[in-house]
Amino acid sequence: KAGVTQTPRYLIKTRGQQVTLSCSPISGHRSVSWYQQTPGQGLQFLFEYFSETQRNKGNFPGRFSGRQFSNSRSEMNVSTLELGDSALYLCASSLRQGTYEQYFGPGTRLTVT
Amino acid sequence: AQSVAQPEDQVNVAEGNPLTVKCTYSVSGNPYLFWYVQYPNRGLQFLLKYITGDNLVKGSYGFEAEFNKSQTSFHLKKPSALVSDSALYFCAVRGLERAGTALIFGKGTTLSVSS
Repeated sequence: KAGVTQTPRYLIKTRGQQVTLSCSPISGHRSVSWYQQTPGQGLQFLFEYFSETQRNKGNFPGRFSGRQFSNSRSEMNVSTLELGDSALYLCASSLRQGTYEQYFGPGTRLTVT
Repeated sequence: AQSVAQPEDQVNVAEGNPLTVKCTYSVSGNPYLFWYVQYPNRGLQFLLKYITGDNLVKGSYGFEAEFNKSQTSFHLKKPSALVSDSALYFCAVRGLERAGTALIFGKGTTLSVSS
């Protein structure tokens, strides 16, 4: 079974631009979560989707948004990029919420210059 | 609010010795607890989880974790460390105070196993 895939793997953007990251979950998984990983803040939860609905949202500004499609694929968007948005963005999928473990993709490395 | 603490930024162990990576948590109600490992330039890999039942949980690569409700801890252990175990380890918790609470991660502990 194929794992979680994220595209693109690397991205360089300029401050003020916007970016869209994509995540394809493991086949059959209906829950997708997004995390931001930085050396200083560690792993921070962004949002979680299940059945196309946002179920949870972390403490991030409104510039960060996401959505999930009917095939469970998910995208996250960051508008008006800031230098501090440079990070590894990780997507994880699980069968459902609750007790199910999450399986992570390799991440998208975003660099904002 | 739920939270996870990993009190050690780094743990150093000699190959063949037992290892422990500590984790404490705070949630309302019963917790769902997880351990993940991250190798350089890779995503996180699931190691093991505690949902209910036996307090000693066995996982991948010979790792196990002990759930202690009174101490609100979920320490990761391995009887004999390998150099290849060197990586970044994350503890995570999901609470049951309401349906669908988020999975929250600790800041991570770097495990270094020397030969």
